[in-house]
Amino acid sequence: EADIYQTPRYLVIGTGKKITLECSQTMGHDKMYWYQQDPGMELHLIHYSYGVNSTEKGDLSSESTVSRIRTEHFPLTLESARPSHTSQYLCASSGHTGDTEAFFGQGTRLTVV
Amino acid sequence: GDSVTQMEGPVTLSEEAFLTINCTYTATGYPSLFWYVQYPGEGLQLLLKATKADDKGSNKGFEATYRKETTSFHLEKGSVQVSDSAVYFCALRLSGGYQKVTFGTGTKLQVIP
Repeated sequence: EADIYQTPRYLVIGTGKKITLECSQTMGHDKMYWYQQDPGMELHLIHYSYGVNSTEKGDLSSESTVSRIRTEHFPLTLESARPSHTSQYLCASSGHTGDTEAFFGQGTRLTVV
Repeated sequence: GDSVTQMEGPVTLSEEAFLTINCTYTATGYPSLFWYVQYPGEGLQLLLKATKADDKGSNKGFEATYRKETTSFHLEKGSVQVSDSAVYFCALRLSGGYQKVTFGTGTKLQVIP
């Protein structure tokens, strides 16, 4: 069973609000990721981290930001939410080597109204 | 760059039918290959994996064989159940360096009684 947690599971928020999506893992993984999943199911990598104090932009441009102050914690922040940010956000982590899988949280379904 | 191409969905099958979901990949190195499953409202879970050529991954009646010569990793199950209804993602991960996980676009499977 994967030990990676996302909160909240569901969030409905008004335009212009600042939000933080939480992601924590207890597996000691160095690498962590944020994916945005559109209604067509495709996953888009928006942020990743190699380890503490490391953050990189992913393949899909995003107005969100991330931080990695502790190994186990990788929060994602939107300074001013817009309806275009409405989506499913999935957090994942993985171990050191390429033959190990990524573990996913249950996701946060964000709706901006 | 690295990429994964998987069969378009949705796929609709009757219970006990044979399932094949095609997956092919392009990679600059020697990737590990994965199949993930996503049930409604959930994150992704690892279904099976193979880390080198000719390896067969298997789990819950699902199988996939790593075919280097055809750069394929097709998912099969001999007899699907209604509970197998989900979205299936093929993915690869290279060893060394950043080791990003690259996903296919997902294939939705619906099994009807």
